[in-house]
Amino acid sequence: EVQLVESGGGLVQPGGSLRLSCAASGFTFSSHWMHWVRQAPGKGLVWVSRINSDGSAISYADSVKGRFSISRDNAKNTLYLQMNSLRAEDTALYYCSRGGSYSLGDYWGLGTLVTVSS
Amino acid sequence: QSALTQPPSASGSPGQSVTISCTGTSSDVGAYNYVSWYQQYPGKAPKLMIHEVSKRPSGVPDRFTGSKSGNTASLTVSGLQAEDEADYYCSSYGGNRDMFGGGTKLTVL
Repeated sequence: EVQLVESGGGLVQPGGSLRLSCAASGFTFSSHWMHWVRQAPGKGLVWVSRINSDGSAISYADSVKGRFSISRDNAKNTLYLQMNSLRAEDTALYYCSRGGSYSLGDYWGLGTLVTVSS
Repeated sequence: QSALTQPPSASGSPGQSVTISCTGTSSDVGAYNYVSWYQQYPGKAPKLMIHEVSKRPSGVPDRFTGSKSGNTASLTVSGLQAEDEADYYCSSYGGNRDMFGGGTKLTVL
């Protein structure tokens, strides 16, 4: 069974940093693109970043470019999102998703909540 | 402002059909056959309903169909059922970035 479990969220002050993790199991992690998607409370889905299977191709949404960094450790079956210079508008539930079937997510985690507030 | 444009709401009575549109540009929806649709219930993670414009993952009812014409993709839900009431999002590959639509709240009257 495919499972994606996010962790690392929490309350952080503006300008602070957090590192999110996504532990994957039940599939060959190293064969799949992975995404981070966020959803602010009561709002829609917003694509944040993607990374290809071996980490050689990475893309970011303009809103996070230069502040966030996506990476993966295929030996540990784990996806990461390093978030720096956090802003109030980064407050959201952050999902990791498997980019199967040329989609932004054929499997999704339950998300980890990031709150940026003083 | 979302990269892809969806109507904020749609509705229909049980048994009817409803179509939700998703408009992009010639650089995303119009350029690639990598449009997907997701269903999301409140407080739940999204579920993939359609990928590659019109393909249904295993387990998704055939009442859900996807299509595309030019820069606009569409999701049609036929034979509406109460359980179809949810938020629906489209997404598209766009080369050096991906994107979602703003979402459509589907109400079954």
